[in-house]
Amino acid sequence: DAGVIQSPRHEVTEMGQEVTLRCKPISGHDYLFWYRQTMMRGLELLIYFNNNVPIDDSGMPEDRFSAKMPNASFSTLKIQPSEPRDSAVYFCASSLVSLLNTDTQYFGPGTRLTVL
Amino acid sequence: AQRVTQPEKLLSVFKGAPVELKCNYSYSGSPELFWYVQYSRQRLQLLLRHISRESIKGFTADLNKGETSFHLKKPFAQEEDSAMYYCALLYNQGGKLIFGQGTELSVKP
Repeated sequence: DAGVIQSPRHEVTEMGQEVTLRCKPISGHDYLFWYRQTMMRGLELLIYFNNNVPIDDSGMPEDRFSAKMPNASFSTLKIQPSEPRDSAVYFCASSLVSLLNTDTQYFGPGTRLTVL
Repeated sequence: AQRVTQPEKLLSVFKGAPVELKCNYSYSGSPELFWYVQYSRQRLQLLLRHISRESIKGFTADLNKGETSFHLKKPFAQEEDSAMYYCALLYNQGGKLIFGQGTELSVKP
């Protein structure tokens, strides 16, 4: 398995533009997480899904951010309109909740977003 | 409120020196804690979890409920240990993790 796949790896855009980040979780995993990493705030959970259903989106900073998971193998995080303060590395992670291993999260390589 | 605190943003030690990365937590339930590591240009990955009571790459971490701490220790640091280390608290059985701010460990030759 290639692990969690994210695209694009780097994104540079101008303020006001729409940005869409993509994630493919590990096959069979039933949880998917979106994180944002910045120097100031560290690693913050934005939203997570269980079986494609959003469970907790309390970390989503504002209405400009939205996330979807239309099926078990794909999720998107969208920012519209983007602002310079959204510049960060966005990580996707997935996990499989089971009796033996309830919570190891496997992270993708991240998308480095720069909003000019 | 649930919280994880890593008081040091940067920890710099010389090769062969002992290292301790501090982590304190605030949680009303029975905590499950983890250390994740991010090496340069690599993805974040699990280093160890307290319930396993294991040693990975020479690192150990003991959960101290009295002091609400889960410090990461290694007796002799190596240059390849240089990385960003995150302490994390499992918030619920659904896998939601609360991460600390992270500590950058720099091991100098």
